[in-house]
Amino acid sequence: NAGVMQNPRHLVRRRGQEARLRCSPMKGHSHVYWYRQLPEEGLKFMVYLQKENIIDESGMPKERFSAEFPKEGPSILRIQQVVRGDSAAYFCASTSIGTGADHGYTFGSGTRLTVV
Amino acid sequence: GQQVMQIPQYQHVQEGEDFTTYCNSSTTLSNIQWYKQRPGGHPVFLIQLVKSGEVKKQKRLTFQFGEAKKNSSLHITATQTTDVGTYFCAAGNNRKLIWGLGTSLAVNP
Repeated sequence: NAGVMQNPRHLVRRRGQEARLRCSPMKGHSHVYWYRQLPEEGLKFMVYLQKENIIDESGMPKERFSAEFPKEGPSILRIQQVVRGDSAAYFCASTSIGTGADHGYTFGSGTRLTVV
Repeated sequence: GQQVMQIPQYQHVQEGEDFTTYCNSSTTLSNIQWYKQRPGGHPVFLIQLVKSGEVKKQKRLTFQFGEAKKNSSLHITATQTTDVGTYFCAAGNNRKLIWGLGTSLAVNP
């Protein structure tokens, strides 16, 4: 039973390019969360999605960032026109609410984005 | 909004010494979760506490939830080099967790 799969593990983009980060939740999990972590800092909530729905995007910057979780396929976090300040580790987590609240979040290995 | 304060921010110990990190909130928490993140790794769920005064143990790790459900602690007995990492507490429910900033533990062999 594969865990949460994120790809790519490392992504290098030049300023102004687009970054697409993918997350496939654990089998049976329909709730996906995206977090950003700067070096030596904690986790900052970005967005919470269920299939085809954005539930809470209160942590997403108003511009350049978007997220989706289509009916088929992985969740995508998209950053347009990247800037150096976007360099960070982006983690995806999934849960299956109602079937194991004491399992907590299962995190993927993250995507380390570097903007040059 | 709800905040979770975690202290200390950093802790250096000699291998074999004990370690404790504390998580505090000004509001009553429905539950609290603890995670460990190794350097360069991703957060890994350790445990969830739900009941007032709850104490749970995992080998050398002891987790406590305060009677008022406003604070929690993680205590490691006789630290080992494998305990190195950052320990995060997170409060709330699975809908959205409020995360502490973490305590980074360094263990000198």
